[in-house]
Amino acid sequence: NAGVMQNPRHLVRRRGQEARLRCSPMKGHSHVYWYRQLPEEGLKFMVYLQKENIIDESGMPKERFSAEFPKEGPSILRIQQVVRGDSAAYFCASSPIDGGGNTIYFGEGSWLTVV
Amino acid sequence: QQQVKQSPQSLIVQKGGISIINCAYENTAFDYFPWYQQFPGKGPALLIAIRPDVSEKKEGRFTISFNKSAKQFSLHIMDSQPGDSATYFCAASIGETSGSRLTFGEGTQLTVNP
Repeated sequence: NAGVMQNPRHLVRRRGQEARLRCSPMKGHSHVYWYRQLPEEGLKFMVYLQKENIIDESGMPKERFSAEFPKEGPSILRIQQVVRGDSAAYFCASSPIDGGGNTIYFGEGSWLTVV
Repeated sequence: QQQVKQSPQSLIVQKGGISIINCAYENTAFDYFPWYQQFPGKGPALLIAIRPDVSEKKEGRFTISFNKSAKQFSLHIMDSQPGDSATYFCAASIGETSGSRLTFGEGTQLTVNP
């Protein structure tokens, strides 16, 4: 029973490039969440998606960031024209459609470094 | 009002001692309070959680104490072990069902010395 799979685990991008982070939820999970963890800080909610729908994107920066969860394939968090301040760990979590808080599982994260 | 404040930022405890981490919140709509444990290079993992209708919940060596009137809750780790060395995050949400957005504290880095 594979957990939440994120890739790449580590990504280095130069300022102005694009970063794409992928998340495959646990089998049977239809809800995906993205959180960002800046150095020495807690996780901050970014976006909550179900298949083909963005349910809550209130934590997403207004520009350069987008997320999708297509009918087939992984969820993707896309950061365009990256800046140094985007350097962080990005965590994906998933849960089943009728699960409680104890059914939310986090992946191991994708560490983005912008140079 | 959406913030959750956590303290201390770091904590060093001797093996066998008690580790205590505190959190405070403002939003009275929060009704689900989980604690997560995170090891270096890993994602957070749910440790224990509580709802505000109880004042205490215990699972093994881990206990959550909850004070609704003070809007505070804390994690106690009894008989702390070196393997408990990790970063601990408190969190809060409105509802605990799928889709509930978690608001995390800033984290406490716990070191348990052998």
